Amino acid sequence: AQSVTQPDIHITVSEGASLELRCNYSYGATPYLFWYVQSPGQGLQLLLKYFSGDTLVQGIKGFEAEFKRSQSSFNLRKPSVHWSDAAEYFCAVGAGISGATNKLIFGTGTLLAVQP
Amino acid sequence: DTGVSQNPRHKITKRGQNVTFRCDPISEHNRLYWYRQTLGQGPEFLTYFQNEAQLEKSRLLSDRFSAERPKGSFSTLEIQRTEQGDSAMYLCASSPTGVGANVLTFGAGSRLTVL
Repeated sequence: AQSVTQPDIHITVSEGASLELRCNYSYGATPYLFWYVQSPGQGLQLLLKYFSGDTLVQGIKGFEAEFKRSQSSFNLRKPSVHWSDAAEYFCAVGAGISGATNKLIFGTGTLLAVQP
Repeated sequence: DTGVSQNPRHKITKRGQNVTFRCDPISEHNRLYWYRQTLGQGPEFLTYFQNEAQLEKSRLLSDRFSAERPKGSFSTLEIQRTEQGDSAMYLCASSPTGVGANVLTFGAGSRLTVL
């Protein structure tokens, strides 16, 4: 069965420091992978996605993620964190386009705190 | 386009009451999804529509839950005889078919508190 693991429940980084949020997935075929961000009381905003091709994908707000098939990972990175990046981050895996429901399976999230 | 709109944003109700949430998707999106998010968890899939047809329902969707999308536009999610365990954020999302089908756009959610 499809699943997503985000090992870090809570991470604190200093403003300006680099960030890496971990995500591991379990999926039999080529996965469609996503990172979403959720600010308090808000819905989910798509940061970036990976469907195929270049394994390093760029997203909004200066985020990037790298798909590593051998490690079943899709870690999110940012070289320099801003205070406004404090939020909860969710990794998700989706079924393929061909006839599937396209429902997403989410991890439990990583809550990012940014220290001044 | 104003994105995916959900109403009400917050609902407080007493156990045993019925509640209904509405979702207005992005107008050109014919797929609509409902997810539930409890505290400290990621969103969990509840159900999915393509146009007016409900194509999949999660086992999480008990008999007390019903979702409709009668004209293939807005959708409603009704919870009958609410229980405290129903307290959660109910998220709606929409997507097009075809190439963008896997890219879901989420609304801000409807938070339910059952006392």
